[in-house]
Amino acid sequence: EAGVTQFPSHSVIEKGQTVTLRCDPISGHDNLYWYRRVMGKEIKFLLHFVKESKQDESGMPNNRFLAERTGGTYSTLKVQPAELEDSGVYFCASSSGSSYNSPLHFGNGTRLTVT
Amino acid sequence: AQSVAQPEDQVNVAEGNPLTVKCTYSVSGNPYLFWYVQYPNRGLQFLLKYITGDNLVKGSYGFEAEFNKSQTSFHLKKPSALVSDSALYFCAVRDPAGQNFVFGPGTRLSVLP
Repeated sequence: EAGVTQFPSHSVIEKGQTVTLRCDPISGHDNLYWYRRVMGKEIKFLLHFVKESKQDESGMPNNRFLAERTGGTYSTLKVQPAELEDSGVYFCASSSGSSYNSPLHFGNGTRLTVT
Repeated sequence: AQSVAQPEDQVNVAEGNPLTVKCTYSVSGNPYLFWYVQYPNRGLQFLLKYITGDNLVKGSYGFEAEFNKSQTSFHLKKPSALVSDSALYFCAVRDPAGQNFVFGPGTRLSVLP
C-alpha cells in the first residue's frame, strides 16, 4: 500500500508570502492529522480531520493557517501570510477507522523555511 | 490535559550494549502509549504500542517497552543496540477520551560502533 505522501518536501518563502502544503493520506484512511515541529522542539498537533470534517482544530496557531480536506481525500494546509515563526517541519499523518489504538502513519514532512 | 516527557535529549550507547530511552506521561484515565522513530529526512515510523494487557510489549526491529502504571512510565528498550538504531525517538500518548496524540520532545539515540 502506498504511504502518506506530502508535497513539497521543502519550501523556502519570504515573509508575507503564501504557501500551500499538500498531504495525500493512505487510501481509505478517514482520519487525517496535521502536526508541526518547530526549531527541533516537540511535535505539536495542529488539527484533525475525519473524512472532510474538522474534528479538532484546537492546535491551529492563528487565522493565518487554513486547512481543507475537500471530498475527504487529500488535504491542504495554507499559510497566508507566512511569518518567520512559521518555519519548521509540517507532518501529515493518517489512520484508519475510529479505533483509538490505531497508530498514525506519517508522511516524510514538508520543511518550511520563512526568510 | 495529557502530556509526555522525555527527560533525555540525547542517549549514547555502544553497539551491542542494551539501550533504554525514557518516557513518562500524564493523562487522565488509562493511556494508550506509542513509540515512534524518525530517521533523517523521513517521517515518523510506528514502533510499538501499549493499549492493555501485558506490561511488556514487543515491537519492530527488536524493540520493546515496559508500561509501569505506578511510575507513569513507558520506557523503550532493546537488549543489544545496533549502529542502525541511531535516530530520533518519540514517545506519544493518546487519551482514550480524545482522538489527539500528544508527543514528547524526542530523544536522539546515538549508537557508537
